[in-house]
Amino acid sequence: DTAVSQTPKYLVTQMGNDKSIKCEQNLGHDTMYWYKQDSKKFLKIMFSYNNKELIINETVPNRFSPKSPDKAHLNLHINSLELGDSAVYFCASSQDPWTAYSNQPQHFGDGTRLSIL
Amino acid sequence: DQQVKQNSPSLSVQEGRISILNCDYTNSMFDYFLWYKKYPAEGPTFLISISSIKDKNEDGRFTVFLNKSAKHLSLHIVPSQPGDSAVYFCAASALNTDKLIFGTGTRLQVFP
Repeated sequence: DTAVSQTPKYLVTQMGNDKSIKCEQNLGHDTMYWYKQDSKKFLKIMFSYNNKELIINETVPNRFSPKSPDKAHLNLHINSLELGDSAVYFCASSQDPWTAYSNQPQHFGDGTRLSIL
Repeated sequence: DQQVKQNSPSLSVQEGRISILNCDYTNSMFDYFLWYKKYPAEGPTFLISISSIKDKNEDGRFTVFLNKSAKHLSLHIVPSQPGDSAVYFCAASALNTDKLIFGTGTRLQVFP
């Protein structure tokens, strides 16, 4: 039974389109995250939500909008897709935001590979 | 600004030998360090961590060493097994920033 699941696994679309990536965790965690891994393999935090509230919002274009309908879900919607958005997007969750960086590490989904044509 | 660096993109080790993966950091405020392991088409999975108040943490075949003065940490895997073949990411956090900073990863290949 997958702990953190993302759909779709692959997403190929044209520039200018709007797309969404869904994420669900069944670990009972309070905190969820979105990361972007670019072509240089850097894995960078984009957003973090704790109990459906935004707590981290890195310098990400406004075209990216996370939505957390409940603690178990954090979806990522991207408007007007650009070539530079091509990357692998990882969802993650943790028990809470305070120990996630120490003794209660984050659990990651398998990623969504987004390719913009 | 790359605060966490893994300067070796790849490493090849024979089965049974020791694998040593290195990581350097620049931010002296980092106080916790983690290693994640990633197989192809999967997400990173937590492997081992160390607090800045320690210089060594061991878990089975995996040991992480921290040298704060050199701003350097390393992951030792001994003995290495073919199943250890994966990409290993070093990550660091600072108490006042509440986020993980990842390195770019080192691809380890363990051959028979």
